[in-house]
Amino acid sequence: GQQLNQSPQSMFIQEGEDVSMNCTSSSIFNTWLWYKQEPGEGPVLLIALYKAGELTSNGRLTAQFGITRKDSFLNISASIPSDVGIYFCAGNSGNTPLVFGKGTRLSVIA
Amino acid sequence: DAGVIQSPRHEVTEMGQEVTLRCKPISGHNSLFWYRQTMMRGLELLIYFNNNVPIDDSGMPEDRFSAKMPNASFSTLKIQPSEPRDSAVYFCASSASGVGTEAFFGQGTRLTVV
Repeated sequence: GQQLNQSPQSMFIQEGEDVSMNCTSSSIFNTWLWYKQEPGEGPVLLIALYKAGELTSNGRLTAQFGITRKDSFLNISASIPSDVGIYFCAGNSGNTPLVFGKGTRLSVIA
Repeated sequence: DAGVIQSPRHEVTEMGQEVTLRCKPISGHNSLFWYRQTMMRGLELLIYFNNNVPIDDSGMPEDRFSAKMPNASFSTLKIQPSEPRDSAVYFCASSASGVGTEAFFGQGTRLTVV
């Protein structure tokens, strides 16, 4: 089955720093999504990507759909304490449910 | 607009008891998913429905788990009998345009089986 490898597993950064995380898949994807989960809550959709090479921003967040269609990255610029949480990538290659990565746990030190 | 609504938010039960988790998807969404989240295994897809019909339940861990979707606005996940290893956070999610599109999650039910 499809598998996603998300890295890094966790990050500790200083407030104001930029953050980058990525996902790679074992097969070609048609859709890449990035979610954020805060403690005690469900994952919330941040950015959706549907086309190879697509670069999309949502405030300080930027995500790209890799040209090979097997990878995606998420960047957060000028991190702030409320960026803390677990970030998940997800994707699929057709009319099948999303496959989720294991998540990147982000901690921001003020 | 109301998002996906799950109840209860927290459930503590004794081993052997029946547990029923409930979900109301976003109105108009035609696909519904049940996930389980643990530290060890991350987010696991248990079962999903399309237009109220179960499509794939291969993620359901054992026969003790069952799910129903009697109508477009309600689904249940039942565990009978419950065991301590079932302790996890269970999420329901729904999507608007089929199984492979953006999924919107509820707040989850944290289940503890003692």
